[in-house]
Amino acid sequence: AQSVTQLGSHVSVSEGALVLLRCNYSSSVPPYLFWYVQYPNQGLQLLLKYTSAATLVKGINGFEAEFKKSETSFHLTKPSAHMSDAAEYFCAVSVVQGAQKLVFGQGTRLTINP
Amino acid sequence: DTGVSQDPRHKITKRGQNVTFRCDPISEHNRLYWYRQTLGQGPEFLTYFQNEAQLEKSRLLSDRFSAERPKGSFSTLEIQRTEQGDSAMYLCATLDSRRLSGELFFGEGSRLTVL
Repeated sequence: AQSVTQLGSHVSVSEGALVLLRCNYSSSVPPYLFWYVQYPNQGLQLLLKYTSAATLVKGINGFEAEFKKSETSFHLTKPSAHMSDAAEYFCAVSVVQGAQKLVFGQGTRLTINP
Repeated sequence: DTGVSQDPRHKITKRGQNVTFRCDPISEHNRLYWYRQTLGQGPEFLTYFQNEAQLEKSRLLSDRFSAERPKGSFSTLEIQRTEQGDSAMYLCATLDSRRLSGELFFGEGSRLTVL
């Protein structure tokens, strides 16, 4: 079975500062890992995904994440926060075989201070 | 619009009433998933279809919930005798399982409020 733990339900950074959202996963087989963003009253939009190719993954809106197998982590970063980055971020894990269903973390709400 | 479409976006109902949500997938996507998201939580898997076959149901899906995908295209999720605890966002997502990317495409969701 797979699971995801997102460390920190709320993260607040200043505009222009580094964004770091933490995600640790558990999986008995090689995982696929995803970060999704959700704006209020909207569905989820894919930011980036790791599917066993390069361990450093670049996504949309300047975000990137690094897969570290030894640490079972997939932390999301952005060098310089923008006001429009304020949203809820979800880390998720799945496996390529079987149902391919996503298992989500509880989410991290990112607030950007002017 | 070629994305996943959900209807209605918002539904307010009284306890005990039945409600039905519809999801129209991306046309070439053979798998369709339903998730439930309560306030402040991540989405939780409810059920999924491969074409018209319902292959897995979560234990979260009580007997009052039923999902169908009769022709392998659109899907409906019906909740009978709604309870206040059913208040949540119901998300539909689809993918093409023939691609190994594993990426789910989500709709905007249907928000249910049970009074």
